[in-house]
Amino acid sequence: SQTIHQWPATLVQPVGSPLSLECTVEGTSNPNLYWYRQAAGRGLQLLFYSIGIDQISSEVPQNLSASRPQDRQFILSSKKLLLSDSGFYLCAYSTGMNTEAFFGQGTRLTVV
Amino acid sequence: AQKVTQAQTEISVVEKEDVTLDCVYETRDTTYYLFWYKQPPSGELVFLIRRNSFDEQNEISGRYSWNFQKSTSSFNFTITASQVVDSAVYFCALSEWGYQKVTFGTGTKLQVIP
Repeated sequence: SQTIHQWPATLVQPVGSPLSLECTVEGTSNPNLYWYRQAAGRGLQLLFYSIGIDQISSEVPQNLSASRPQDRQFILSSKKLLLSDSGFYLCAYSTGMNTEAFFGQGTRLTVV
Repeated sequence: AQKVTQAQTEISVVEKEDVTLDCVYETRDTTYYLFWYKQPPSGELVFLIRRNSFDEQNEISGRYSWNFQKSTSSFNFTITASQVVDSAVYFCALSEWGYQKVTFGTGTKLQVIP
């Protein structure tokens, strides 16, 4: 069966520190991978998506970057966190074009 | 550009009441896909339904039903005989054919009061 793992669940980081959130998918090959951020207003903002290794699209220019070192691994990074980076980050995958996405449990990031 | 509007920010109902969550979308494409997701307090989004633009039949799954009307660009979600476990934030989403990007609405927070 297919599963998605995302960690850590919560993170408190000081301003200016680096960030690395990891997401892995099991049970499927060549998934589409996504990073979303959910701010206090509850809306989901697509940050990055990837349809394959070395194929990453950025939706919103900002202080974050994404990498896909392996087929089923998706990493969200920042070199220097800002207060505005606080939020709930969700990783998701889908197995085809226009198919439903399945989400990880999310990481609640607080930048202090 | 695609857009999803969920005008209801928060809804409170008493248990066993029926409730309808509204979703209005905008797209220039003739082929597109609509989704509903549930986000319980734990935070993880749970997929509920996917519907393509060529299938306007209403769908029922247990206490859940969906009304898709292309004429009004709406994809509304009704919960019959609501239960406390239905308390969550519900998101409507849209994906245009051939694109990986999914646009989410801002969500409707449903509170079911015992």
